[in-house]
Amino acid sequence: AQSVTQPDIHITVSEGASLELRCNYSYGATPYLFWYVQSPGQGLQLLLKYFSGDTLVQGIKGFEAEFKRSQSSFNLRKPSVHWSDAAEYFCAAEREQAGTALIFGKGTTLSVSS
Amino acid sequence: NAGVTQTPKFRILKIGQSMTLQCAQDMNHNYMYWYRQDPGMGLKLIYYSVGAGITDKGEVPNGYNVSRSTTEDFPLRLELAAPSQTSVYFCASSSSLAGGPTGSGELFFGEGSRLTVL
Repeated sequence: AQSVTQPDIHITVSEGASLELRCNYSYGATPYLFWYVQSPGQGLQLLLKYFSGDTLVQGIKGFEAEFKRSQSSFNLRKPSVHWSDAAEYFCAAEREQAGTALIFGKGTTLSVSS
Repeated sequence: NAGVTQTPKFRILKIGQSMTLQCAQDMNHNYMYWYRQDPGMGLKLIYYSVGAGITDKGEVPNGYNVSRSTTEDFPLRLELAAPSQTSVYFCASSSSLAGGPTGSGELFFGEGSRLTVL
C-alpha cells in the first residue's frame, strides 16, 4: 500500500548544529514529494518540493532535500539550525490516484536546544 | 492577504450534535481540501473539491459531508458528532491539483479549527 514514513517522532538538535530529517516513501513509481513545516498553532507551510530533474532541491529558510530513488528516501537537511526552526515537519507525497491531493507522513517534531 | 480563513477556531460539541466548519479562500483557487490532524498521526484527507459543484471523498470521509456552491467556500459538516471526531481540522486550497504532471504541490493552509466532542 502507498505510504509515507517518517521514522523519527521527535528529534532534538543543538542550535548551530546540522539537521537531517528522514522520509521514506512506498510507491509504484517515483512520486512527487514535498516537505511542509508547521509552527505551533499554525497551519502548514511548504518548504520545498521535488518533481523531477536535479535530485537536490533547495527550499525556503535554508532547507534542502535530496531525493534518492535507490533508497526511496527524501531527507530534509539544514547545515545550521536556528532556535526558530523548532516546529513539526511533515513529508508528503502525491497520492497514487494521481492529482487527488497529498498524503502526509506522521510528522517529526524538532526541538532546538541552546 | 487573508488567504484561507477557517471558523470557528475552537468548538466543544456534545455527542450527537451537528455543526459546520467554515472555510473561505480569497485566492481564486479551484482546488480545496479538508484534512484532520490527530496527534502522532499526521494529516488525513477527509474530502476535496476540484471546483464549484464537484467534491470527492478522501481517506476518512465517514461522518462528514461537504458542499462547494462557490469557488471561495468549502464548508465541512459534521452530523451526529462522536468522540472519534475530536481533532484539529485544516482547510487548504491550491491553484492546481496537488499532484500529477501539472500539480504545483503547494497547498495553502488555514490556521485550523480545534474541535472537541464530549
